[in-house]
Amino acid sequence: DAKTTQPPSMDCAEGRAANLPCNHSTISGNEYVYWYRQIHSQGPQYIIHGLKNNETNEMASLIITEDRKSSTLILPHATLRDTAVYYCIVREDNAGNMLTFGGGTRLMVKP
Amino acid sequence: NAGVTQTPKFQVLKTGQSMTLQCAQDMNHEYMSWYRQDPGMGLRLIHYSVGAGITDQGEVPNGYNVSRSTTEDFPLRLLSAAPSQTSVYFCASRETGAHEQYFGPGTRLTVT
Repeated sequence: DAKTTQPPSMDCAEGRAANLPCNHSTISGNEYVYWYRQIHSQGPQYIIHGLKNNETNEMASLIITEDRKSSTLILPHATLRDTAVYYCIVREDNAGNMLTFGGGTRLMVKP
Repeated sequence: NAGVTQTPKFQVLKTGQSMTLQCAQDMNHEYMSWYRQDPGMGLRLIHYSVGAGITDQGEVPNGYNVSRSTTEDFPLRLLSAAPSQTSVYFCASRETGAHEQYFGPGTRLTVT
């Protein structure tokens, strides 16, 4: 699986958009980009995934660059409850269950 | 649906003791897996299963055994606990063909 690089920490003001970057310059054509988050001590929670196109759901938007070497997770109106560690994961969608979690980005949403 | 459940929530073991961490899901998911998370680190895959009767090793399988006799249950056995196995253990499941994995609330294990 391709390796991902994320900043270790970020701050965001409550109510503002949080933009979390991820670099995955060695991604291959059949690998998806997944985002999960982990709120303190809880199990990770799926947020969104994409292959080539930008994606949006009720939680967030995922912007993938045209060359697929990087992506940005956008939380449009961050709340205090969005404070968490956010993991960007690149993975083929094949049989098997492995998700490789790196260090992630610790997002602190401040009032 | 209860989703993915794990028991116990907390456990303290002495070195050399054995125990089983329980994981169950009621979503009829074929894929199940066990991860461990050490302080300040990401999750690492221990074992996984793609269906009843089928298991395989992940990144850090040593010291752990698994079996999958039913679709619902995927227990993780520590054969002889060591302090290096002090960690938080998460179980996860996924539906065939789906992208989203569902994680349980975790078991916090301390080995003294």
